[in-house]
Amino acid sequence: DSGVTQTPKHLITATGQRVTLRCSPRSGDLSVYWYQQSLDQGLQFLIQYYNGEERAKGNILERFSAQQFPDLHSELNLSSLELGDSALYFCASSVVREENTEAFFGQGTRLTVV
Amino acid sequence: LAKTTQPISMDSYEGQEVNITCSHNNIATNDYITWYQQFPSQGPRFIIQGYKTKVTNEVASLFIPADRKSSTLSLPRVSLSDTAVYYCLVGDGGDYKLSFGAGTTVTVRA
Repeated sequence: DSGVTQTPKHLITATGQRVTLRCSPRSGDLSVYWYQQSLDQGLQFLIQYYNGEERAKGNILERFSAQQFPDLHSELNLSSLELGDSALYFCASSVVREENTEAFFGQGTRLTVV
Repeated sequence: LAKTTQPISMDSYEGQEVNITCSHNNIATNDYITWYQQFPSQGPRFIIQGYKTKVTNEVASLFIPADRKSSTLSLPRVSLSDTAVYYCLVGDGGDYKLSFGAGTTVTVRA
């Protein structure tokens, strides 16, 4: 158990809909990252938050947005869903420091868009 | 951002040592090298991280030559349960905004 909790584990929804994925980081971790992993693909970095503020942005679509709340949990919002958005979405958290930083990943949310 | 190149796949047998080399020619002075392991439908798991020379922990060793343009993850005496995808990342210690790339799929056979 990494200590990072993602809910829900599975989500099936229709095209055009909007969903929210939730991530609770490990206790004390200020940084949260979101990744997308499509079938047989590597993990694509979407966005990073640090202590409530957006810190870095990757290949995140405009239809996607995220936020980190004062209690440090984070939500990834996916809207106007398309079939191609079907993927595993992972959240990771870490204590950002110069060395020996280890990111802890949740078990992911499998999103299926039908 | 340093780009990494690693083999797409490697096959091995139980009990053998597996060495995966990652090339990162454009590594920056303050970059660390980190390796992750991922099983199907699970989140990646940290294996090891290093800056230079050799780092060893209970599951692997990481060898980094003086020029730091490559690194080698060594998995001693692999078992079937080591079958997974292994990712090499290069960046600041907390710079996980880097995408993981395709990784190396290691298949261990009996």
